[in-house]
Amino acid sequence: GNSVTQMEGPVTLSEEAFLTINCTYTATGYPSLFWYVQYPGEGLQLLLKATKADDKGSNKGFEATYRKETTSFHLEKGSVQVSDSAVYFCALSQTPGNTGKLIFGQGTTLQVKP
Amino acid sequence: DGGITQSPKYLFRKEGQNVTLSCEQNLNHDAMYWYRQDPGQGLRLIYYSQIVNDFQKGDIAEGYSVSREKKESFPLTVTSAQKNPTAFYLCASSLRGVGYEQYFGPGTRLTVT
Repeated sequence: GNSVTQMEGPVTLSEEAFLTINCTYTATGYPSLFWYVQYPGEGLQLLLKATKADDKGSNKGFEATYRKETTSFHLEKGSVQVSDSAVYFCALSQTPGNTGKLIFGQGTTLQVKP
Repeated sequence: DGGITQSPKYLFRKEGQNVTLSCEQNLNHDAMYWYRQDPGQGLRLIYYSQIVNDFQKGDIAEGYSVSREKKESFPLTVTSAQKNPTAFYLCASSLRGVGYEQYFGPGTRLTVT
C-alpha cells in the first residue's frame, strides 16, 4: 500500500542554517505530494505541493521537488528563522481510487535556535 | 473569509459520556475528513465523507460516529465505546477527487477523565 517515510526528529538548527527534511514515499500510480506545517496547538497548514514528476513546489522560502526516480520529496530552505520552528508533515494523495484521502508521514519537529 | 471552524477549542468530559465535536466549512468543498492526533504522532483518519449523506470509515473508526446532513457540516461524536478518547481532533475539507490538498481547521483538544 501507499506510505510516506520522513526523517526522524527533532531537527535542531541555528538561525540562518540550511534545512533539509527528507521524505520518501511508496505509491502506485501518480500521486500528488504535499508538505504541511503545524505550529503548536494549531491545525495543519498547506506549505507547498507538487502534482507531477519534476514539479517544484515553493512557498515562503521553502522548496521541494517531486522526484519520481528516487520516490522522494525532500523539503529544503536556504536560511531558517526561529519562526520556522514547527512540525512538518509530508503527505501523498491516495492512489489508485478516487477517495481524496491523504497519507501522512509521522512528522518531523524542527527547532531553530537564535 | 473562507475557512474551517472547529468548536470548542478545548473540551472536557467525564468517562462514559458521549461528546460531539463540531466542524463547519464555508469553502464549498464536497469532501470532509476527521483525524485524530496523539502527542508526537502523525494523523490517523477516523471518518471521511465525499458527499452529503454519505461517509466511510477510516483507519480507526471504532468508538466514533459521524453524520453528513449538510455540505458545510461534518460533526464527530466520540462515544463511550472509544477506549482512549483523549486526543487532539482535526477536521479537514477538500474538493472532491484525487490529488487535491486538504484544508484543516484549528482542532479541538478533548480531555476525558
